[in-house]
Amino acid sequence: NAGVTQTPKFQVLKTGQSMTLQCAQDMNHNSMYWYRQDPGMGLRLIYYSASEGTTDKGEVPNGYNVSRLNKREFSLRLESAAPSQTSVYFCASRSGTAANTGELFFGEGSRLTVL
Amino acid sequence: EDQVTQSPEALRLQEGESSSLNCSYTVSGLRGLFWYRQDPGKGPEFLFTLYSAGEEKEKERLKATLTKKESFLHITAPKPEDSATYLCAVQANTGFQKLVFGTGTRLLVSP
Repeated sequence: NAGVTQTPKFQVLKTGQSMTLQCAQDMNHNSMYWYRQDPGMGLRLIYYSASEGTTDKGEVPNGYNVSRLNKREFSLRLESAAPSQTSVYFCASRSGTAANTGELFFGEGSRLTVL
Repeated sequence: EDQVTQSPEALRLQEGESSSLNCSYTVSGLRGLFWYRQDPGKGPEFLFTLYSAGEEKEKERLKATLTKKESFLHITAPKPEDSATYLCAVQANTGFQKLVFGTGTRLLVSP
C-alpha cells in the first residue's frame, strides 16, 4: 500500500527555472494538499484541493500554481524558481468532506534547492 | 489569526525519564487539535486528534490531553525509538481545510 507518493525526492534548480512536483495518492481521498516546511517556520499550506476539480490558495501561494489532474493526482508547479523557494515540500491527502477532521496522510517529501 | 506555539523547542531525556511536551494555541473556534510525529527525512505521521477540553487519548507510551488553551503530549518511560520531532496543529471551525502547525519539539531519548 503506497499511500502518498511524491516525485522527485530531490531537485536542484537555478533561479528562474521551472519545475513541477508530482503527487499521487491511492487511498481514494477527496482532499489533497501541498505544504512547505522550513526551519523555524513549521509546515505552511501552499494550496489545497477539497475535491476533484477544485483548488484553493493556502497561506503562502505566491510563486506557485497547482493542478488537480484527477482524484489521485495533485501537482505543484514553480514557474520561475527563486532562492526563497528552497524548502522541503510535502504533499498530503485525507478523506471526507470539507468539514472533515480526519488524519492527514503525508508523502515523504521533495527536497528542493534553488541556487 | 490562528496560532500554535510548541515548547520546548528541543528536549533530551534519558530512557525511562518521563516528561511532557506543550502546545499552546489560539484559534477562532477549535474544530480539532492534532498531534503528529515526524522522523528525520520523512513526512509527518498522525498520532491523535482531540476535539474538546478535557479529552484524553493514549497510544503506547504517549498520552495527549487538551484544555481550552493548550495541549500536552505526555511521554511515559520513553525509549530511544520515541526520538522524533512532535508536531501540533489546530483546525478552526472556519477554513476547514487549513491546519495551522507549530514548529515542533525535537525529542531525543538516550539509552
